[in-house]
Amino acid sequence: DQQVKQNSPSLSVQEGRISILNCDYTNSMFDYFLWYKKYPAEGPTFLISISSIKDKNEDGRFTVFLNKSAKHLSLHIVPSQPGDSAVYFCAARSGGSNYKLTFGKGTLLTVNP
Amino acid sequence: NAGVTQTPKFRVLKTGQSMTLLCAQDMNHEYMYWYRQDPGMGLRLIHYSVGEGTTAKGEVPDGYNVSRLKKQNFLLGLESAAPSQTSVYFCASSIGGQPQHFGDGTRLSIL
Repeated sequence: DQQVKQNSPSLSVQEGRISILNCDYTNSMFDYFLWYKKYPAEGPTFLISISSIKDKNEDGRFTVFLNKSAKHLSLHIVPSQPGDSAVYFCAARSGGSNYKLTFGKGTLLTVNP
Repeated sequence: NAGVTQTPKFRVLKTGQSMTLLCAQDMNHEYMYWYRQDPGMGLRLIHYSVGEGTTAKGEVPDGYNVSRLKKQNFLLGLESAAPSQTSVYFCASSIGGQPQHFGDGTRLSIL
């Protein structure tokens, strides 16, 4: 069963507008969430994270929101830029000393000039 | 600072052949991970290591073996390659609970 779900395989937005990427999870033991960005032929790079004790974390143009009761998080990119075009992976981690991540399937974001 | 380096970048194997993928990190990270990425599947954890000399199974370990003889290196082996192991393999490393750093992947095709 898929514990981290990104139900939108793709998203297209205009440059300058807001991009909203969504992620749902089923495992209530997850306590830390991350977003990674991936360009073709490169490895994923860390973008932003949030602990389950918070409901919002902001870093420049990127903000992640966490709704624990709904088991839902979202990544907001404002304003969107063409260089943001990439695949975005949501990942989650439960407590424990191995720090294993469970990834969603990813959402391809295309920002059109 | 190279970060996480994966060798080779591309490889084509025939069914039944064996090979080893090398992951090297120069960040003195304790934790290292091997993932595979298949179309539409996201990243799935194969094996991981929490320190030199230790390894553990992840979500999809069958058909793979790993070794962590040195802290900076994490090797992924395929003893008898199968077409189902055609994938892109990513290695990652981290310090404890910090975000994982990824290599650029090894694209492996098995005919």
